[in-house]
Amino acid sequence: DIQMTQSPSALSASVGDRVTISCRASQSISVWLAWYQQKPGTAPKLLIYEASNLESGVPSRFSGSGSGTEFTLTISSLQPDDFGTYYCQQYNSYAAFGQGTRLDIK
Amino acid sequence: VQLVESGGGVVQPGRSVRLSCAASGFMFSSYAMHWVRQAPGKGPQWMGIISYDGTTKNYPDSVKGRVTISRDNSKNRLYLQINSLGSEDTGLYFCARDSGVAAARYYFDSWGHGTLVTVSS
Repeated sequence: DIQMTQSPSALSASVGDRVTISCRASQSISVWLAWYQQKPGTAPKLLIYEASNLESGVPSRFSGSGSGTEFTLTISSLQPDDFGTYYCQQYNSYAAFGQGTRLDIK
Repeated sequence: VQLVESGGGVVQPGRSVRLSCAASGFMFSSYAMHWVRQAPGKGPQWMGIISYDGTTKNYPDSVKGRVTISRDNSKNRLYLQINSLGSEDTGLYFCARDSGVAAARYYFDSWGHGTLVTVSS
């Protein structure tokens, strides 16, 4: 099974900050990686697919990069609505999620 | 796209539960569908997939043999049956639409709100 590891597990940032979340796969997954945002009491929302493709309707301040085993989600200028927990998910071999990164707004 | 899960509740250990997901707003019979579970305070866990026509199903090793996914395209309904429930099965169960049309891609572009299953005596 492919294991997904995210870092950090939690972070706090201010409005306007550039935020970066990392995700590492236990083996190469090419570009078969998605990112989701989840707010308390709601379902995850797809942000990025195929490592760097922005889902329709997602603000352009979100971007993804990486391939192989190392991936990054970047929020270029943090907004108040961006709080929540972010998950990466590989789909190279079935599906598996990372443990999540909780983002708080200072 | 709307996905509405139902069937959760408090279930005794060792018993079974059958969850349902009602789909609307899209051509249900054209999409593979998934179930994803989320234990309290944990990340999501993929529970399995069923192809658009119900002929192909895949499950992770962690639940294989205990879980069955089925669908009724005439009713726009997706189902999940879990047998021999244990405390590790407690969580919020989501149905999710695969992002691909006909051919599954294994990532999820629409989710329901979830139904909570609590395994407790």
